Amino acid sequence: DTAVSQTPKYLVTQMGNDKSIKCEQNLGHDTMYWYKQDSKKFLKIMFSYNNKELIINETVPNRFSPKSPDKAHLNLHINSLELGDSAVYFCASSPSPDTQYFGPGTRLTVL
Amino acid sequence: GQQVMQIPQYQHVQEGEDFTTYCNSSTTLSNIQWYKQRPGGHPVFLIQLVKSGEVKKQKRLTFQFGEAKKNSSLHITATQTTDVGTYFCAVGVSGYSTLTFGKGTMLLVSP
Repeated sequence: DTAVSQTPKYLVTQMGNDKSIKCEQNLGHDTMYWYKQDSKKFLKIMFSYNNKELIINETVPNRFSPKSPDKAHLNLHINSLELGDSAVYFCASSPSPDTQYFGPGTRLTVL
Repeated sequence: GQQVMQIPQYQHVQEGEDFTTYCNSSTTLSNIQWYKQRPGGHPVFLIQLVKSGEVKKQKRLTFQFGEAKKNSSLHITATQTTDVGTYFCAVGVSGYSTLTFGKGTMLLVSP
């Protein structure tokens, strides 16, 4: 059984396009996150949602907009993609502000 | 935000040698977690340490939390090729609802 799933796994797109990444967790966790991992493997939190409400919004360009239709889903929409957005994006969920359960990641390549 | 330094950035060992990665913070931590990310994979939770001076073992892995709760180490005895990956520490600070990840230590094990 997949605990945290993300789609798509790979995303290749042109600069300026708008794209979305979807995340779903079936663990019943209240908190979900989006992380960005750059080419140097640095994991940086972008957003955190608790029960569909935004609780953390790190310094992220406002081209990135998370949406949580329910507590099992946290999607990430990116407008006007730039070259520097190329990275692996991980969704994660947590039963508390502790152990993170990561999804498989979405490798975004902006050409 | 919370700063955490993880060293070394990279280590290459021969199979059978030991390996240690360290995580240091300038502030007192409420807890520390360790994650492993295999190449091409996603971070996977290994363990959480909460108590001052705590030591936990998982087979060949030994995790320590410093007495002052400002540092931690992960030691692998007699590395195997299956240990290859990047090891991250992640720290929580009392009053904050998220974790801050270290930059990770990439371990390469040659047979």
